[in-house]
Formats: sequence, C-alpha cells, structure tokens
Amino acid sequence: ETGVTQTPRHLVMGMTNKKSLKCEQHLGHNAMYWYKQSAKKPLELMFVYNFKEQTENNSVPSRFSPECPNSSHLFLHLHTLQPEDSALYLCASSQVLPTVSYEQYFGPGTRLTVT
Amino acid sequence: GENVEQHPSTLSVQEGDSAVIKCTYSDSASNYFPWYKQELGKGPQLIIDIRSNVGEKKDQRIAVTLNKTAKHFSLHITETQPEDSAVYFCAASPWGGATNKLIFGTGTLLAVQP
Repeated sequence: ETGVTQTPRHLVMGMTNKKSLKCEQHLGHNAMYWYKQSAKKPLELMFVYNFKEQTENNSVPSRFSPECPNSSHLFLHLHTLQPEDSALYLCASSQVLPTVSYEQYFGPGTRLTVT
Repeated sequence: GENVEQHPSTLSVQEGDSAVIKCTYSDSASNYFPWYKQELGKGPQLIIDIRSNVGEKKDQRIAVTLNKTAKHFSLHITETQPEDSAVYFCAASPWGGATNKLIFGTGTLLAVQP
C-alpha cells in the first residue's frame, strides 16, 4: 500500500447507527486531517492532528469523534448522524516542521450516505 | 473569516486551447498556495504549488502565477487534453510559518472537448 488509504470507500448508515471511518498513511508524515466535501461547497477542514495531538477542531458537532492512536492511523467515529452529514469524507496527511508546512496528500475518500 | 474565492465554477475549452482559473484570498498573511486536481471517484491530487517568495512557477503544461499585492493567484493550463478534465481546487494557507491549515476555493469543473 502506498500513499493515503481510506476504508470503507462507501458507507450507508441509519441515523441511529455507530460506524467508524479509517485512514492510514504510508508516507512517514507527522500530521493528519479530516475534511468534509459536500456538493458545491469548499472542502471543510474538520480536524487536524500534529504528532498525534489534536490541534484543530473546526466547530464540528460532537456526533463526529476523531481518534489518532499513532502518526500513521486516523479514525473518525460516527454516531447518531443526520441526513445532512451525507458527504465525501477525505483524509489527508502532511509533514509539518516548526516553521514550514508542506503539501497535503489526500486519500480517495469515504462516500457516506445517512438514511 | 478567511476565505478563498475561485472563478469560474465551470469552464469548457476545446482540446489544445488554454485554460485559466483564478483565485483571490483574503488574508494577507497567506504564504502557501497549492492547486489540486480531483477526478471522479478520487481524492484531490496536488498538481502544483507556489510560495509567496515566488511570482511564477511552471511545470510542463501547467503554470501558476501569484500577485501578492492584489492577493490573486491563477492556474494556467496550456495545450489542454481530454485527460485534463476534472475539478480543480485552489487553496491558501492563511497563517504562514508553522501552519498546516488550508482554506479551499469552491472548485472549477474543467471540461476539455476533444
């Protein structure tokens, strides 16, 4: 496996379900990100982890819960979602140094449909 | 807050023609400007980027220009080919330095007609 991988690629869940999205990066990066991509809207940054520490939470509802057990893996735990949460969820990773940030590499995304 | 405006939202060109996509950013502290290409069913892929100490950068058929005074940056694709058809996103890193936060534009759907 190379680059950034995400599983599952497609997910359909009911509003009362609990599910998790998984992301893994094979690039040796130290920062990972969750983005939400909805139709006709810019990519929305949800969470940022630097060195496994969450450094950004962009006012995301608590029904989305991230977890970063190590610098290569990132999860997004989902529970009691709403239909408007249906979107493409993208994971990305990058290298971050104290004074410089580098390009972000994206995974293929998980297409989530909430019914 | 910080935002990035991108135009046009759709662009159709004939194969071999040039395509230009323009973005404007609001935060003058932004110093990193990447461009991503997203094909159907795939995540965005970085195609070119530019930092604020450079006015222009070129990579084969793709070039990016930056006007810091006007807070504009543009993507230029020459000799377009059908495989260039995709959605293109610009982004800006608004805080510079150690930031790893990108603000994205709304995307441009480019269609190259054979």
